[in-house]
Amino acid sequence: EVQLVESGGGLVRPGESLRLSCVASGFSFSNFEMNWVRQPPGKGLEWISYISYSSNTIYYADSVEGRFVTTRDNAKDSLYLQMDNLRAEDTAIYYCAKRSAPGTPYHFDYWGQGTLVTVSS
Amino acid sequence: DIQMTQSPSSLSASVGDRVTITCRSSQTIGNYLNWYQQKPGKAPQLLIYGVSFLYDGVPSRFSGSGSGTHFMLTISSLQPEDFATYYCQQTYDSPRTFGQGTKVDIK
Repeated sequence: EVQLVESGGGLVRPGESLRLSCVASGFSFSNFEMNWVRQPPGKGLEWISYISYSSNTIYYADSVEGRFVTTRDNAKDSLYLQMDNLRAEDTAIYYCAKRSAPGTPYHFDYWGQGTLVTVSS
Repeated sequence: DIQMTQSPSSLSASVGDRVTITCRSSQTIGNYLNWYQQKPGKAPQLLIYGVSFLYDGVPSRFSGSGSGTHFMLTISSLQPEDFATYYCQQTYDSPRTFGQGTKVDIK
């Protein structure tokens, strides 16, 4: 069974940092591209980052570019999101999402349960 | 960036109703259009990918259609467990943008 488990969320002050983790199981993590998606309380979904299987290609949304860094450790089946200089508008539930198998129309077939990040003074 | 616009933003319907949600993209996106369902307090779940492919385990009352910049999600006979928020997403280009969501609630 595929599982994605996020952790690392919490309450931080503006300007502080936080590192989220997403541990994968039930599939060959190193063979799949991964994404981060966030959702502010009561609002819609916002894609924020993508990383290829080998970490050669990484993309970010403009809203987090320069402040967030996505990495992965395939030996640990883990995805990370380092979030620096956090702002109030970064308050959201953060989900990791697995990309579908290559050769199929691109979609996110599995999502973690999410971890809540609250940025407030 | 490709903008995704869903309509309506919300709708009220009864069990057994046929429901259609529309999603428009700001440019053509081929078949790179997906639909997700999200219930309160839960992560989104994939319903349909590649415009019209039903994901594993998704009931056949859900269907997707469309092309170019105009896409639709149809629920042929709404069931109690279908009351949720639905999002379209394009994966044609980065950023992989989502629509703003359509909340389906009980009339």
